[in-house]
Amino acid sequence: AQSVAQPEDQVNVAEGNPLTVKCTYSVSGNPYLFWYVQYPNRGLQFLLKYITGDNLVKGSYGFEAEFNKSQTSFHLKKPSALVSDSALYFCAVREEGNNRLAFGKGNQVVVIP
Amino acid sequence: NAGVTQTPKFRILKIGQSMTLQCTQDMNHNYMYWYRQDPGMGLKLIYYSVGAGITDKGEVPNGYNVSRSTTEDFPLRLELAAPSQTSVYFCASSSRQGSYNEQFFGPGTRLTVL
Repeated sequence: AQSVAQPEDQVNVAEGNPLTVKCTYSVSGNPYLFWYVQYPNRGLQFLLKYITGDNLVKGSYGFEAEFNKSQTSFHLKKPSALVSDSALYFCAVREEGNNRLAFGKGNQVVVIP
Repeated sequence: NAGVTQTPKFRILKIGQSMTLQCTQDMNHNYMYWYRQDPGMGLKLIYYSVGAGITDKGEVPNGYNVSRSTTEDFPLRLELAAPSQTSVYFCASSSRQGSYNEQFFGPGTRLTVL
């Protein structure tokens, strides 16, 4: 069965510092990996995805993520965090051929001015 | 494009009441999904549909029903509301079966059952 783990409940980072949100996954076959962001009282917004090819994926708002097959990880990164990046971040995985996405529990990111 | 729209935004129900959460998308997407979001639990899939007339159960379907008579609409029905159904409900859609297509989410419906 496909699953995602986001080990930290909350990530605190000072504005201007690098931001990392961790995600590990478990699938039977090839993984398709996604990151979404949720601002307060809003729906989820797509940030980026890994399907195949280059392990470093670039997405919206300056975010990027690195796919690491040996460590089964897909950590989200941003070189310089902004206060406006404070939100809830979800990692999700889908096995090839599966109709469903499995979401992690989410990480609250707090960027401190 | 309005994307995915949901109504109502908020609703309070009494135990045993019924209601329908509406979801409409204008992107001509085949795939539509209903999730519920509980604090610290991520999103759980309730039902999904791969096209008009076709629906299937997700992880937590008990207490809910869906229908898909058109490509655009995917309503979620609660027949006998229970406090355990207090949650935020999100509808989503995606363009085709390809596992690599991202989902587009609506703004959510916050439901409280008292």
